[in-house]
Amino acid sequence: SQTIHQWPATLVQPVGSPLSLECTVEGTSNPNLYWYRQAAGRGLQLLFYSVGIGQISSEVPQNLSASRPQDRQFILSSKKLLLSDSGFYLCAWSVRRLSGNEQFFGPGTRLTVL
Amino acid sequence: DQQVKQNSPSLSVQEGRISILNCDYTNSMFDYFLWYKKYPAEGPTFLISISSIKDKNEDGRFTVFLNKSAKHLSLHIVPSQPGDSAVYFCAALLFGNEKLTFGTGTRLTIIP
Repeated sequence: SQTIHQWPATLVQPVGSPLSLECTVEGTSNPNLYWYRQAAGRGLQLLFYSVGIGQISSEVPQNLSASRPQDRQFILSSKKLLLSDSGFYLCAWSVRRLSGNEQFFGPGTRLTVL
Repeated sequence: DQQVKQNSPSLSVQEGRISILNCDYTNSMFDYFLWYKKYPAEGPTFLISISSIKDKNEDGRFTVFLNKSAKHLSLHIVPSQPGDSAVYFCAALLFGNEKLTFGTGTRLTIIP
């Protein structure tokens, strides 16, 4: 069975510090990978998605970047965090198929920027 | 441009009654619709989906209805249980596009 891991679960960082959140998927090959953010009182905002190693699509211009160094590894980074980067970050994976594209989410990382 | 909308941010329903969660969309090209359930501090979990060629899909206590002419879908939960208290997101997909478009969510509270 497939599993998705995210770490850390919670993170408190000062403004201007760097960020690295990691996501790994087990039990599947060549998944599509996604990073979402849920800000307080808001829906799920797609930040980045990747259909393969080294292939990153950015949905919104912002202070964040993503990388996919390995097939089942997806990393969300920032060189300098802003207060507005606070939120709940979710990684998700999916397999492309004709019948639909259910995405399966990790447990999330709660980021607080002070 | 919010292509998928959930206009009710919250909903309270008595235990045992039917919960109806609504979702509207603007893009008539969407091929596939999904509902997710999310508990606080956890990732969303997939609940049920429906293809645009169908108007109903049922799975246990959960039924999703799709009205393409109205660009509206709804999730029915019957009977509602306390464990159903969560935030529910609807999402839509275009085949060939790897992205889901999510609504803003509805917080469902089941009253014992």
